[in-house]
Amino acid sequence: RKEVEQDPGPFNVPEGATVAFNCTYSNSASQSFFWYRQDCRKEPKLLMSVYSSGNEDGRFTAQLNRASQYISLLIRDSKLSDSATYLCVWTNSGYALNFGKGTSLLVTP
Amino acid sequence: SAVISQKPSRDICQRGTSLTIQCQVDSQVTMMFWYRQQPGQSLTLIATANQGSEATYESGFVIDKFPISRPNLTFSTLTVSNMSPEDSSIYLCSVDNRGLTDTQYFGPGTRLTVL
Repeated sequence: RKEVEQDPGPFNVPEGATVAFNCTYSNSASQSFFWYRQDCRKEPKLLMSVYSSGNEDGRFTAQLNRASQYISLLIRDSKLSDSATYLCVWTNSGYALNFGKGTSLLVTP
Repeated sequence: SAVISQKPSRDICQRGTSLTIQCQVDSQVTMMFWYRQQPGQSLTLIATANQGSEATYESGFVIDKFPISRPNLTFSTLTVSNMSPEDSSIYLCSVDNRGLTDTQYFGPGTRLTVL
């Protein structure tokens, strides 16, 4: 079983829609989780960290469910500029990041 | 956040040759990392570049194929040796966020095509 699994998509949504991505992980020792965003032909950039208590940054809400071993990302009021690949990332106390394959989002006018 | 540059940004190479990729950071950082992103795939860690000691390689990657240098706290190089078409990939360096969190910042990447 892969350590991190993401639905590759693509998710095609209209502007203004709400969209949610999930990412499941199998390593219960995983300690820290993040969502990174990668635009086409660009490097990944940190979108937000993910905490068990849930955290929100503007239109973006991230949640960690340790019991069910998944993390989620909710995007409200989607913008065209949200079109990108969203990478589920985890680390287990080391500095090396482990990446999921990413979920592709396309927001259309 | 750190500003990271990589050279070259892209290259096309013949099989059997070697390419050295440079990564420069605008501030001193403890940890530097080298990742590979093959077409249509996510990022895979190649190795952690430690200043003053040998790099630490992940399973499936060896020093003879991917020698790494880390002469100081702002610079590292990754060499892709004896290249084959399977080495065609984007190679990215990243740095830690001054050890404060587990987040990292990535360079713009080097797009390598091996013919």
